[in-house]
Amino acid sequence: SQTIHQWPATLVQPVGSPLSLECTVEGTSNPNLYWYRQAAGRGLQLLFYSVGIGQISSEVPQNLSASRPQDRQFILSSKKLLLSDSGFYLCAWSVRGAIAFFGQGTRLTVV
Amino acid sequence: AQKVTQAQTEISVVEKEDVTLDCVYETRDTTYYLFWYKQPPSGELVFLIRRNSFDEQNEISGRYSWNFQKSTSSFNFTITASQVVDSAVYFCALSRGNTGKLIFGQGTTLQVKP
Repeated sequence: SQTIHQWPATLVQPVGSPLSLECTVEGTSNPNLYWYRQAAGRGLQLLFYSVGIGQISSEVPQNLSASRPQDRQFILSSKKLLLSDSGFYLCAWSVRGAIAFFGQGTRLTVV
Repeated sequence: AQKVTQAQTEISVVEKEDVTLDCVYETRDTTYYLFWYKQPPSGELVFLIRRNSFDEQNEISGRYSWNFQKSTSSFNFTITASQVVDSAVYFCALSRGNTGKLIFGQGTTLQVKP
């Protein structure tokens, strides 16, 4: 069966520090991968979307970047965090754009 | 532009009551998908249902049922005989075509009291 792993679960980082969040999927090949952010107030917004290794689409302009070095690995990064980067980050996967399944999320607090 | 509106921010019911969560969407696409997800306090989004734009049949799964009406651009979710374990934030979402890219509503927090 397919599983998605996301870590760390919580993170507190100072302003200006770098960020690296990892997401890996098991049990499937060539998934579509997604990063979403849920800011205070609950709304979820799609940040990045990838259909294959090295193929990243950014959905909104921001201080973050994403990379897909392997088929089932998706990384969210920042060189210098801002206070506004705080939020709950969720990784998701789907096969050929069907149902998206989500990881358990990373709660990031920038202080 | 695509948009999903969940007008109910919070709903509080007593256990065993029925409750309906509203979802209204906007899209110009003829092919699209609608979803409901549940977010318990742990934070993970749990998939509940997917509906494509060509299938307006209502669906029932245990205590859950969904009413999809294209004429009113609505995809409402009803929980029958609610239970405390149903307490969560529920999100309605819209996908353009079959891209898997989701546009979410703001969510409805459901509190079921014993």
